[in-house]
Amino acid sequence: DTQMTQSPSSLSASVGDRVTITCRASQSISRYLNWYQQKPGKAPNLLIYAASSLQSGVPSRFSGSGSGTDFTLTIRSLQPEDFATYYCQQSYRAPLTFGGGTKVEIK
Amino acid sequence: EVQLLESGGGLVQPGGSLRLSCAASGFTFSNYAMSWVRQAPGKGLEWVSGISGSGGSTYHVDSVKGRFTISRDNSKNTMYLQMNSLRADDTAVYYCARHDQQWLTHFDYWGQGTLASVSS
Repeated sequence: DTQMTQSPSSLSASVGDRVTITCRASQSISRYLNWYQQKPGKAPNLLIYAASSLQSGVPSRFSGSGSGTDFTLTIRSLQPEDFATYYCQQSYRAPLTFGGGTKVEIK
Repeated sequence: EVQLLESGGGLVQPGGSLRLSCAASGFTFSNYAMSWVRQAPGKGLEWVSGISGSGGSTYHVDSVKGRFTISRDNSKNTMYLQMNSLRADDTAVYYCARHDQQWLTHFDYWGQGTLASVSS
């Protein structure tokens, strides 16, 4: 199985900060890497697919990069509605696997 | 508008069974692979099972193989997850999720989830 490791597991940041979350795959997954945002009590919401493609309706302050085993999600200027948990997920091979999540909290 | 509505969750004893359903609307259901993703209380996301648009191919995570069966009825725009021999560690919110058409793609729409609790 392809293990997905996110870091950090949590972070504190202020409105307006630039936030970076990393995701590492245990083996190459090309660019088959997706990012989701989840707020408490809600279903996950797709932000970025294929490493760097922005899902329709998602603000442009979100961006993704990387290929192979190392990937990054960047939030350019953190907004109050961005405080949530973020998950990476690989769709290169079965079983589909998620990272453990990164909780972004208010400083 | 794409909508996914799960049902069938509830409280069941260890060793028991549940059948989850996911009713889809707003798109041509048979054109899309679908999956079940679960989230144990306070934990992260775990993909459980997936099925191709035609229903001809199915996939399961190792921990549920032999116990869970995914299926779909394209005439009813509904996907199912039959869960047998349930264990306490199967307790989770189960989400229905749509793939972006093909099986090995991202999940572009999710349902609101249904809670399955396994406890004596």
